[in-house]
Amino acid sequence: RKEVEQDPGPFNVPEGATVAFNCTYSNSASQSFFWYRQDCRKEPKLLMSVYSSGNEDGRFTAQLNRASQYISLLIRDSKLSDSATYLCVVNMRNTGRRALTFGSGTRLQVQP
Amino acid sequence: GAVVSQHPSRVICKSGTSVKIECRSLDFQATTMFWYRQFPKKSLMLMATSNEGSKATYEQGVEKDKFLINHASLTLSTLTVTSAHPEDSSFYICSAGPDEGGIQYFGAGTRLSVL
Repeated sequence: RKEVEQDPGPFNVPEGATVAFNCTYSNSASQSFFWYRQDCRKEPKLLMSVYSSGNEDGRFTAQLNRASQYISLLIRDSKLSDSATYLCVVNMRNTGRRALTFGSGTRLQVQP
Repeated sequence: GAVVSQHPSRVICKSGTSVKIECRSLDFQATTMFWYRQFPKKSLMLMATSNEGSKATYEQGVEKDKFLINHASLTLSTLTVTSAHPEDSSFYICSAGPDEGGIQYFGAGTRLSVL
């Protein structure tokens, strides 16, 4: 089983749609969680951290469910500029691993 | 603005050449930096952890003599691809953060093409 799993997509949605991505992680003691965004042929950029109480940043809402070991990202009112690959990222420092662990990414394509 | 700077952004070289890539943290000191490799349409794969003042830690399957890492100061790590071959062509990205295990900021990446 992969340490961090995501549906690769692609998710093809029309502008204005609401889309949700899920991610599961294997290590129950993982400590920190993030969503990064990566555009084609570019470096990943932090979209938002994910907190246990859930958090929102404009059209983006992130949720963490520790009991089920999954993280979600909800994008409302999708824009063409939201088209990218979204990476679920987990800190497993409790395992002695200092690097963040990345999921393989979910590709989103927003269409006019 | 960028908090992690990576250079060069693009390298095209002949087979057998060694290529050095630099990664600098601009706004913070980083005792640890990370080097990743990404093939087209694939996820980031951690290659190695660069440790300031000590040897780098390599992931399984990554040849340490092929990918030399030097973390000379608290703001600079370098990755040298020695005797590059076409199969080394890839997108190499570094990351660093002010808090280990916390948010990581990425360099803009280096696209290496070995002819």
